[in-house]
Amino acid sequence: QQQVKQSPQSLIVQKGGISIINCAYENTAFDYFPWYQQFPGKGPALLIAIRPDVSEKKEGRFTISFNKSAKQFSLHIMDSQPGDSATYFCAASHRFQGAQKLVFGQGTRLTINP
Amino acid sequence: SQTIHQWPATLVQPVGSPLSLECTVEGTSNPNLYWYRQAAGRGLQLLFYSVGIGQISSEVPQNLSASRPQDRQFILSSKKLLLSDSGFYLCASSSGQGTEEKLFFGSGTQLSVL
Repeated sequence: QQQVKQSPQSLIVQKGGISIINCAYENTAFDYFPWYQQFPGKGPALLIAIRPDVSEKKEGRFTISFNKSAKQFSLHIMDSQPGDSATYFCAASHRFQGAQKLVFGQGTRLTINP
Repeated sequence: SQTIHQWPATLVQPVGSPLSLECTVEGTSNPNLYWYRQAAGRGLQLLFYSVGIGQISSEVPQNLSASRPQDRQFILSSKKLLLSDSGFYLCASSSGQGTEEKLFFGSGTQLSVL
């Protein structure tokens, strides 16, 4: 019930295309859903996040779509660029004993072909 | 904005040797601090978190321990490393409070136990 399932494991998109990564969760106590971007040898960087009271959040070329009833959320990268090539992690969290406990998906390695 | 310092960036240790990884945070006070481990090609697993000095919560039983001797210092330790302790260790610090808390990661330590 604590798992977050992420797909696909890897994704290749042409420059200018739309990259879509999907995640699903079971625990209805989760109340915060961030996406992280990680480059090789670096720590993950917070990209965008959403709370379950909204169905969509957009920041620049990045959009999160959230379906509370289906317990699914996705990341859309519009006009994908070679610099977007990285590993993307979805996560879900809830607060417990004063801390935010993030559960991560397995990651998606995104490659944008020029 | 806060800065998270982790060192060393890379570490190669023999089986049975001790371990000490240090994380310090600048630009914030009284953060929640977290240790995550990332196995090769996998997601991130929460190991420990701390909501204050001397307060440590462990997520999984293992060969590791954590300590928080100062407000912005978090240490990951082991008395005797195992092969299975190899991985990419990440320290994270929170920004904001309550539902607005966001996690930011350091650049990580790649630990190889041989």
